[in-house]
Amino acid sequence: NFMLTQPHSVSESPGKAVTISCTRSSGNIASNYVQWYQQRPGSSPTNVIYEDNQRPSGVPDRFSGSLDSSSNSASLTISGLTTEDEADYYCQSYDSNNWVFGGGTRLTVL
Amino acid sequence: QVQLRESGPGLVKSSETLFLTCTVSGGSISISRYYWDWIRQPPGKGLEWIGSIHETGTTDYNPSLKSRVTISVDTSKNQFSLMLTSVAAADTAVYFCARHGGLPIWGQGTTVSVSA
Repeated sequence: NFMLTQPHSVSESPGKAVTISCTRSSGNIASNYVQWYQQRPGSSPTNVIYEDNQRPSGVPDRFSGSLDSSSNSASLTISGLTTEDEADYYCQSYDSNNWVFGGGTRLTVL
Repeated sequence: QVQLRESGPGLVKSSETLFLTCTVSGGSISISRYYWDWIRQPPGKGLEWIGSIHETGTTDYNPSLKSRVTISVDTSKNQFSLMLTSVAAADTAVYFCARHGGLPIWGQGTTVSVSA
């Protein structure tokens, strides 16, 4: 079993870029696909990145996903921040066929 | 376009059994590459995976809930269901159904409250 660790919160100014990390505690981050979900207040989660770096249709190309084997982590980068990006972001991967979620990161755009 | 919709009671009494159903529309549940999942989110907290089922009936459950959870599939109705026994206040949450395998698709969620 492994855990996914995210920073509790990040903040950045409009127009800037921010990167949210998701570190896997054991095993290779590249062993299983990583997904990222955005959850705005009062709404259900929506997928913004799947299979490490794939963007669903309708998600702006300001959102990108990557893996870093040196830190055994996945990252979500959002560029050109707007106030609409203010939300909670969750990473998710698989342990065998079991889902594992990170604890979530609160993004504040101010 | 595939859509998922959860249905079930919004209120369940403590110690009773919760039943929820997820109806899949716009596509078949009987596609081998996909798994069908239940996830929940207690108020103000993060996401917790409950379990998944494949159209063949193969299931996987969160070890922390395994003793109380059963997920089943009805391919004739294009639905899958969640049964959670002996509910308690800690089971109060928004419950989501989802598909995984390729592009993830989630339902909008249904709120379940457990009363004393």
